[in-house]
Amino acid sequence: DAGVIQSPRHEVTEMGQEVTLRCKPISGHDYLFWYRQTMMRGLELLIYFNNNVPIDDSGMPEDRFSAKMPNASFSTLKIQPSEPRDSAVYFCASSLRRSTDTQYFGPGTRLTVL
Amino acid sequence: AQTVTQSQPEMSVQEAETVTLSCTYDTSENNYYLFWYKQPPSRQMILVIRQEAYKQQNATENRFSVNFQKAAKSFSLKISDSQLGDTAMYFCAFLANAGGTSYGKLTFGQGTILTVHP
Repeated sequence: DAGVIQSPRHEVTEMGQEVTLRCKPISGHDYLFWYRQTMMRGLELLIYFNNNVPIDDSGMPEDRFSAKMPNASFSTLKIQPSEPRDSAVYFCASSLRRSTDTQYFGPGTRLTVL
Repeated sequence: AQTVTQSQPEMSVQEAETVTLSCTYDTSENNYYLFWYKQPPSRQMILVIRQEAYKQQNATENRFSVNFQKAAKSFSLKISDSQLGDTAMYFCAFLANAGGTSYGKLTFGQGTILTVHP
């Protein structure tokens, strides 16, 4: 199995630009999670989906952030407009049948907003 | 809300020796899961071990084992025969198995940087 795939691995952009992060979960997994990792706040859950439907987006920091899952094999996290404080590593993870099943993480996307 | 505390920011150990990483948590839930994840310099988050709270037996995975003390809300990780490849940041994490706002949400500790010296 290829595991969770994320792209790009690194993204450098300028303040005000739109940023789109992409994730392909493990095939057959029903749950998909987006996390953000920063030095100050550690790892925090942004949003998660079950069968392509957003279940809890209470961790999304503000309206500049949006996430979609148009089908079972693809999700995006978009930031528009981006700000320097959005600089972080963004992880996607997936789990099999229940939200309490083990979550398997992708390699992460390191985002730098200048 | 749950909290997870890792009180050791950094630890070091000699190759082939044993090291224990500490984790405590606070919750009002009775049914939950606990995890240890490893994050090497590549930054990939890798599952090390998982423990179900309803199981009294401590989980083991090869050289990795846990000491789960439910009453004390403690969940330490023991690494035996440490190897250079064990050098990484280790995160303890909590996952509730009940309804409510915390259901399905992994709560992570701050992490412990472990360095294995040759």
